Amino acid sequence: GAGVSQSPSNKVTEKGKDVELRCDPISGHTALYWYRQSLGQGLEFLIYFQGNSAPDKSGLPSDRFSAERTGGSVSTLTIQRTQQEDSAVYLCASSSRRENTEAFFGQGTRLTVV
Amino acid sequence: QKEVEQDPGPLSVPEGAIVSLNCTYSNSAFQYFMWYRQYSRKGPELLMYTYSSGNKEDGRFTAQVDKSSKYISLFIRDSQPSDSATYLCAMSALGYIPTFGRGTSLIVHP
Repeated sequence: GAGVSQSPSNKVTEKGKDVELRCDPISGHTALYWYRQSLGQGLEFLIYFQGNSAPDKSGLPSDRFSAERTGGSVSTLTIQRTQQEDSAVYLCASSSRRENTEAFFGQGTRLTVV
Repeated sequence: QKEVEQDPGPLSVPEGAIVSLNCTYSNSAFQYFMWYRQYSRKGPELLMYTYSSGNKEDGRFTAQVDKSSKYISLFIRDSQPSDSATYLCAMSALGYIPTFGRGTSLIVHP
């Protein structure tokens, strides 16, 4: 596709359930980022991939959060045992450069934990 | 102190006004400066990117970087209601992940 695609667009889940969020980056973009955006807040960095490896996982808030990327393309962010404070918009971006100077964002996945 | 400070607003202006959006930062290693626009329920969209100091113009938008003051600005001329959105600044050092500001909410009323 022409842009970054994220699925699902919206996800409502019960507290304690696991969720998987998917990101399809722009073809050829080696850098992929996950961010979290809470209401009225800026972008909170979660994890960065260069190819399939994640040299920077420093933003993952707890060990309930994990992410992987396969084939240098699709990435999945998994949240285990979801909590209400996990409710936010999860954004994925891809770029041809680590510095993110020409990054393209997906529309985000709005996660609501009830 | 946060690395990047940005007033969340909201900033409300009449149509046709010149808008000035600003960010300050503390990390002198930052060399890449970006402005993103985010409409409600959408992902951020890159507006402008500047390397190091100076000005960059694109249509009604002008980005300025003053590294000596650690201050960046985005000016919007002849603002339109369609410019109503949240504007996020972002900046990074060579080889590093960018840091984002909180975003400023802009409302341009007819």
